[in-house]
Amino acid sequence: SQQGEEDPQALSIQEGENATMNCSYKTSINNLQWYRQNSGRGLVHLILIRSNEREKHSGRLRVTLDTSKKSSSLLITASRAADTASYFCATDDITGRRALTFGSGTRLQVQP
Amino acid sequence: NAGVTQTPKFRVLKTGQSMTLLCAQDMNHEYMYWYRQDPGMGLRLIHYSVGEGTTAKGEVPDGYNVSRLKKQNFLLGLESAAPSQTSVYFCASSHGVSEAFFGQGTRLTVV
Repeated sequence: SQQGEEDPQALSIQEGENATMNCSYKTSINNLQWYRQNSGRGLVHLILIRSNEREKHSGRLRVTLDTSKKSSSLLITASRAADTASYFCATDDITGRRALTFGSGTRLQVQP
Repeated sequence: NAGVTQTPKFRVLKTGQSMTLLCAQDMNHEYMYWYRQDPGMGLRLIHYSVGEGTTAKGEVPDGYNVSRLKKQNFLLGLESAAPSQTSVYFCASSHGVSEAFFGQGTRLTVV
């Protein structure tokens, strides 16, 4: 089974609204990352949050991390049609395989 | 500075044929990865490498082999292709387990 699982699987909102996606993972980690994928393209890194951090901001992105609950959330504020994409969380596993593993993703649709 | 380049971009194979996918990176990254992406499944790790001459199995390694003879290249081989290996394959590289840079993908169809 995959290390990370995103929730919801799909999200449809109007331009200007905020979008929140959640990620749960199973093992102890060094960091958690969020990526974006436009249809048919490779993934692009958005933000990395370390295990000793609780919140991080980058432009319209806000990421939180709760290591006690093994969960993270990605908030996109004031969404735009161009934010339409799939969003994935990725983690490493410090107790086992030292490689990035991904969740199944959240498909975000922002209606203009 | 090309980043991560995958070759080929598209391929159609017949069942039982073999092929090699090439991934090249010019960022001097130690870590390289091969993933497959199927509809609704996200990315699943096939094999990865933490340095030249090293490889390790990921979540779904069966039916694939890899080699990392040079730091900048990571090859993924299919010895006897099966329809279940129809997928989009992504290569990525990174400095340690940090920000990963992805190629544009290889769309493989096995008929």
